[in-house]
Amino acid sequence: DQQVKQNSPSLSVQEGRISILNCDYTNSMFDYFLWYKKYPAEGPTFLISISSIKDKNEDGRFTVFLNKSAKHLSLHIVPSQPGDSAVYFCAASANYGGSQGNLIFGKGTKLSVKP
Amino acid sequence: DADVTQTPRNRITKTGKRIMLECSQTKGHDRMYWYRQDPGLGLRLIYYSFDVKDINKGEISDGYSVSRQAQAKFSLSLESAIPNQTALYFCATSGRVGAGPSTDTQYFGPGTRLTVL
Repeated sequence: DQQVKQNSPSLSVQEGRISILNCDYTNSMFDYFLWYKKYPAEGPTFLISISSIKDKNEDGRFTVFLNKSAKHLSLHIVPSQPGDSAVYFCAASANYGGSQGNLIFGKGTKLSVKP
Repeated sequence: DADVTQTPRNRITKTGKRIMLECSQTKGHDRMYWYRQDPGLGLRLIYYSFDVKDINKGEISDGYSVSRQAQAKFSLSLESAIPNQTALYFCATSGRVGAGPSTDTQYFGPGTRLTVL
């Protein structure tokens, strides 16, 4: 049973346009959400996060939106650049019990930004 | 210098061999993790450790063991490697730095590509 779902395995966007990556979750105890970016032959790198007490967090070209009632979050990249081409992982954690702080990852979405 | 390092970066071994993957960190974090990544399956947690005396099984611990030799070192062993353990393996760290607040944000090493023939 997947607790964090990224239903789009891939996304292709034109340079300069907006990229929107989506993530759904099922566990209502999740209270912290993160996005990671991964290039081939490298480890995932932390991109941006959001706490469940917020509905939006912005960092430069990257904005994460959280809709708790829909158990949905999205990552917006504006404007998209060819260097943004990578696999993006959504992750979530719940600070309860013995698994405090452990992250549950989605399967990833491969973003391709075309010049 | 990288904050989280993994050795080796690539390894090819044969079925039945024992292999150890090592991870070191200079971030001062108290928590360390081992994940494997398979195509189409994302990152799955193998083992995690919240401090030197605390080791916990993750989602897919069967066939693996770990050792937390020091706060900065966390190694993953495959006692008798099998072909379906062929994967990318990542170490990660998180948690407190000194007396600071804890954080769930994890920082990953560059990965080890393991092939079991």
